[in-house]
Amino acid sequence: EVQLVESGGGLVHPGGSLRLSCAASGFTFSSYSMNWVRQAPGKGLEWVSYISSDSSTIYYADSLKGRFTISRDNAKNSLYLQMNSLRAEDTAVYYCAKYGTNWFDPWGQGTLVTVSS
Amino acid sequence: QSVLTQPPSVSGAPGQRVTISCTGSSSNIGAGYEVHWYQHLPGTAPKLLIHGNSNRPSGVPDRFSGSKSGTSASLAITGLQAEDEADYYCQSYDSSLSGWVFGGGTKLTVL
Repeated sequence: EVQLVESGGGLVHPGGSLRLSCAASGFTFSSYSMNWVRQAPGKGLEWVSYISSDSSTIYYADSLKGRFTISRDNAKNSLYLQMNSLRAEDTAVYYCAKYGTNWFDPWGQGTLVTVSS
Repeated sequence: QSVLTQPPSVSGAPGQRVTISCTGSSSNIGAGYEVHWYQHLPGTAPKLLIHGNSNRPSGVPDRFSGSKSGTSASLAITGLQAEDEADYYCQSYDSSLSGWVFGGGTKLTVL
């Protein structure tokens, strides 16, 4: 069974940093592209970032303006999201999702990031 | 303001049929990019319902169907059940933004 488990969320002050992790199992992680998607409280889903299977291709949503960095370690079956200069509007549940030809499936349960003073 | 536009809410009685629309533009749905649909219950992982406009992954009941025409797409749910009460999102790719985009989500209430 394919499983994605996010971790690393928590409370952080504005301007702070946080690193999210996503542990993958049940499939050949190194063969698939991955994504981060977030959902702010009371809002819809928002795509955050994409990384190809070999990390050679990376995309970010324009709204992030260089503050986030996606990476992966195929030896550890893990996906990461380094988030810097965090703002209140970054408060959201962050999901990792396996990429399947322009769609996302499956998704993890998400990890909550709260940016507040 | 989401790139793809969905109605905020729809409702229907058990057994009825409801449709959820998803309207895009010439840089996403109208450009030929496929539309995908997700079901999301609060506190859980979003679940893929439809991919490639109209394809159901294994395990998704045939009560769920998708279609696409021009710059819009629709999700239809027939034989409504209480367990269908959830938020539904459409998703596509946008060439102007060079990224994947979602609709704002539609809350389905089963009366």
